[in-house]
Amino acid sequence: QVQLVQSGAEVKKPGASVKVSCKASGYTFTNYGISWVRQAPGQGLEWMGWISGYTSNTRYAQKFQGRVTMTTDTSTRTAYMEVRSLRSDDTAVYYCARGSSYLVTTDLDYWGQGTLVTVSS
Amino acid sequence: EIVLTQSPGTLSLSPGERATLSCRASQSVSSNYLAWYQQKPGQAPRLLIYGASSRATGIPDRFSGSGSGTDFTLSISRLEPEDFAVYYCQQYGISTFFGGGTKVEIK
Repeated sequence: QVQLVQSGAEVKKPGASVKVSCKASGYTFTNYGISWVRQAPGQGLEWMGWISGYTSNTRYAQKFQGRVTMTTDTSTRTAYMEVRSLRSDDTAVYYCARGSSYLVTTDLDYWGQGTLVTVSS
Repeated sequence: EIVLTQSPGTLSLSPGERATLSCRASQSVSSNYLAWYQQKPGQAPRLLIYGASSRATGIPDRFSGSGSGTDFTLSISRLEPEDFAVYYCQQYGISTFFGGGTKVEIK
């Protein structure tokens, strides 16, 4: 069965960076893309960007351009997302989610369990 | 940027009642690339509907999606206790954006 398992919770100080991992299993990693979506406490869902599991091409939401980097390691079937220059309003649960196809913009059919990133001095 | 407006913000209903949730887009959603998700507290979202009206794998047939262009609807024919949750729409025709969500609560 398809599973996405994310790394554990993080606490960071403002200005620091965080890197969240998302290990995939149960499907051919290179046939699909991975999107990253975040959810601030008590708020809705916000799409951050996408990375191809095959080419590692990326597409970032304009809001996160220049501050977020998404990468993959196909040998370990793992996707990574790094956020730099953290601010308090980056405090959120960060989800990875598999796109239902290889396309950049798709519905998201499987989700990781989420990683809570807390930014606090 | 396509803005998705979901209404109502909160829907108070009893088990067995019908729920009708609305998602309105600020511009036409190409190829009906509109999905619906259910999220329960402390859990990741779960895909219910894609392509505006196709049920995802394992989703009960009491969930149905309809609509086109700028107006979309998620209907739950008879609410079960496990259906009380927050529901989000997502358009994925041009980039990806989510609506603000509708909470379906027990009346």
